[in-house]
Amino acid sequence: DSGVTQTPKHLITATGQRVTLRCSPRSGDLSVYWYQQSLDQGLQFLIQYYNGEERAKGNILERFSAQQFPDLHSELNLSSLELGDSALYFCASSAGGATASETQYFGPGTRLLVL
Amino acid sequence: QQPVQSPQAVILREGEDAVINCSSSKALYSVHWYRQKHGEAPVFLMILLKGGEQKGHEKISASFNEKKQQSSLYLTASQLSYSGTYFCGTEIDGANNLFFGTGTRLTVIP
Repeated sequence: DSGVTQTPKHLITATGQRVTLRCSPRSGDLSVYWYQQSLDQGLQFLIQYYNGEERAKGNILERFSAQQFPDLHSELNLSSLELGDSALYFCASSAGGATASETQYFGPGTRLLVL
Repeated sequence: QQPVQSPQAVILREGEDAVINCSSSKALYSVHWYRQKHGEAPVFLMILLKGGEQKGHEKISASFNEKKQQSSLYLTASQLSYSGTYFCGTEIDGANNLFFGTGTRLTVIP
């Protein structure tokens, strides 16, 4: 158990819909990272937040957005969902966030299926 | 910017050794190694920072050649528990995020 929690575990929805994935980092960690893992793409970095502010952006679509709240939990919002958005979405946390050169602890993931 | 891992897959018998390579076309600041078992989250193994260091953790160690922009993960005397997919994540100089390779699937058989 990494100490990172994600909800829900599974999500099934239809194309065009909007969903919100939630992540609570390990106690004391200030950074939250979001990753998408699909069968053909491997682990893709989406976005990082550090202490409430966006720190780095990766291959995140405009239909996706994220935020980190004052209590440091984070939400990833996916809208206008397409079949290709079906994937495992992982959240990871680390203590600091000045660089990515810190241990990242991964949550169990949310499996999203878009039908 | 995604690093290239090789081999894509490898099958070992218990006790055999393996090397997994990770190379980048960009200058690297750090390399991270993770192992992921099927249906589970990636688990951190180690980080190597710029400087050509080598790290070890029991029978799993890694090296980082900054000039060649590549890292290698060494698994010695493999155990059944080593089975899984190994990912390298690379942090490019000046960037602040990780790019992961497509993974190497390692299977250890009795």
